[in-house]
Amino acid sequence: EVQVVESGGGLAQPGRSLRLSCTASGFTFGDYAMSWVRQAPGKGLEWVGLIRGKAYSETTEYATSVKGRFTISRDDSKGTASLQMNSLKTEDTAVYYCVRGVPDRIGYFFDYWGQGTLVTVSS
Amino acid sequence: VMTQSPATLSVSPGERATLSCRASQSVISNLAWYQQKPGQAPRLLIYGASTRATGVPDRFSGSGSGTEFTLTISSLRSEDFAIYYCQHFHNWPLSFGGGTKVEIK
Repeated sequence: EVQVVESGGGLAQPGRSLRLSCTASGFTFGDYAMSWVRQAPGKGLEWVGLIRGKAYSETTEYATSVKGRFTISRDDSKGTASLQMNSLKTEDTAVYYCVRGVPDRIGYFFDYWGQGTLVTVSS
Repeated sequence: VMTQSPATLSVSPGERATLSCRASQSVISNLAWYQQKPGQAPRLLIYGASTRATGVPDRFSGSGSGTEFTLTISSLRSEDFAIYYCQHFHNWPLSFGGGTKVEIK
């Protein structure tokens, strides 16, 4: 059974950093891209970023809103992905979902989602 | 940019629901649909514009290509009342539509 579990959410002050972790199991982790999607309270879904698997050199893509502030990494030996969030802003407040990315032509859709971890950015 | 309409759709159980998703430029058939219930993570319903994900009932169907897409729920059941999002995966950055809430009429 595929499982995706996020951790590391909490309260952070504007301008500070926070690191989220995602642990996945039930599939060959290295064969899949992993991505982060967030959802501000009462709002819709916003794609944050994605890291491809080793076959694609673990390259990354980011949303414009987080580029240069957020970094995604992965450790295939542990089945984990991480989201390093720096220079946090109040508008980064959201539930962050870790999701498995399935390649389809040039992009990815998301077939397994974690339950999410809440990040609150406030002074 | 992905635009979904209507924002809210009021439907009676057993009726048909038709949800729309429009892309600002062609995404060919690189489109997925997700369902989200309150307090839950989204669930993949459709990918490639029309292919149902594993375990998705056949009352859900997707159609369209280019810039116009439709998710149809043929006969609404109580468990189908939720928010539905479309997502393109044609180029970077990926993006979601704003969602359509399907509520009980």
